[in-house]
Amino acid sequence: EAGVAQSPRYKIIEKRQSVAFWCNPISGHATLYWYQQILGQGPKLLIQFQNNGVVDDSQLPKDRFSAERLKGVDSTLKIQPAKLEDSAVYLCASSTMGQKVQKQYFGPGTRLTVL
Amino acid sequence: GENVEQHPSTLSVQEGDSAVIKCTYSDSASNYFPWYKQELGKGPQLIIDIRSNVGEKKDQRIAVTLNKTAKHFSLHITETQPEDSAVYFCAASRDYSGGGADGLTFGKGTHLIIQP
Repeated sequence: EAGVAQSPRYKIIEKRQSVAFWCNPISGHATLYWYQQILGQGPKLLIQFQNNGVVDDSQLPKDRFSAERLKGVDSTLKIQPAKLEDSAVYLCASSTMGQKVQKQYFGPGTRLTVL
Repeated sequence: GENVEQHPSTLSVQEGDSAVIKCTYSDSASNYFPWYKQELGKGPQLIIDIRSNVGEKKDQRIAVTLNKTAKHFSLHITETQPEDSAVYFCAASRDYSGGGADGLTFGKGTHLIIQP
């Protein structure tokens, strides 16, 4: 079974530029998560989708971050404009619905460097 | 919201010895506690998990214990090997019996170093 796919793997931009990340979850997984992992810390949830609806975006900095999940499959996360403190690894995870325990499986992440 | 504390931040053990990593959580509504292993340049990999209706779970050399009253849970790795060297994260969330779950709240991680 293929895992969670993310692209690009690395991205370097100047501050105030925009950037977008793409995620393709495990086939059949209805729930998709985006996490931000700053160097030396644990991942922090940014947004959670169930199918193509937003379940939780309480920690998403909505003035500069946006995310969408069209057709309940792939998702994109966008930052516009980027700040220095956005330098981090952006992780996508997915899990199934309908099971008692929602195991989350992570992709390899996109490492963003803002200069 | 949930807050997860993890200790120690770095743990160095001799190959073949045991390693223990401890976490505490704050939200009594949390009922799902996974552990992830993250190697350099990779995403977190789920290695074991436990629900709040179970006190202990074991999978080969890895075990997790949960004390729901004290709100703490621990990861135990026995007979450590060089390939166990990585950063380990504990996490907590609320899993709803009708389907669906909250996102995970992670600890800050433990860098486990296995000395040959």
